[in-house]
Amino acid sequence: DQQVKQNSPSLSVQEGRISILNCDYTNSMFDYFLWYKKYPAEGPTFLISISSIKDKNEDGRFTVFLNKSAKHLSLHIVPSQPGDSAVYFCAASGANFGNEKLTFGTGTRLTIIP
Amino acid sequence: EPEVTQTPSHQVTQMGQEVILRCVPISNHLYFYWYRQILGQKVEFLVSFYNNEISEKSEIFDDQFSVERPDGSNFTLKIRSTKLEDSAMYFCASSEGQGSQPQHFGDGTRLSIL
Repeated sequence: DQQVKQNSPSLSVQEGRISILNCDYTNSMFDYFLWYKKYPAEGPTFLISISSIKDKNEDGRFTVFLNKSAKHLSLHIVPSQPGDSAVYFCAASGANFGNEKLTFGTGTRLTIIP
Repeated sequence: EPEVTQTPSHQVTQMGQEVILRCVPISNHLYFYWYRQILGQKVEFLVSFYNNEISEKSEIFDDQFSVERPDGSNFTLKIRSTKLEDSAMYFCASSEGQGSQPQHFGDGTRLSIL
């Protein structure tokens, strides 16, 4: 069941440059999208979210873009910092926003090179 | 900042034994969830819980699994007769459930079935 896909298992970016993580989904019923960051031996930490009525949401260094027609979202981190090195998960849920189950992608391991 | 806490961090159990994983959700949250991540695989939804009853459960959540909120603070996941394939990280999450509120995760319990 590949409803949420992150096709890049890993990504390396120089410190100070932009990191772009991508996510595709197939279920058109998804209405709310989130990005989580995960360090080893810790749980996923919420980063940023976007609902389907928007195409962009920004929070400090993090911006999420949503292209509903392409069923694609991306997370931009700029400037990238060494502490951003982690696994990033894209997740999606249905119309009840935070109340519904999350469907996760497989994750992208981001490494920031000093 | 309020957080979801899970105990124990690591549980080792013989196959066929019962195990209880414990979680203390964030205090003003109304929705509670269990997810699991088998090594090398994606985070998968198990069950959601609201108003003292199960809201939704996945195919994984069969008769061997149960959840309970025994008091005003704890939320537990019980596996009655563990199997080798139950070995995984189990994550508890909670959300306010109002509008676009994200789910917040604990650091997980690593369950190892021998």
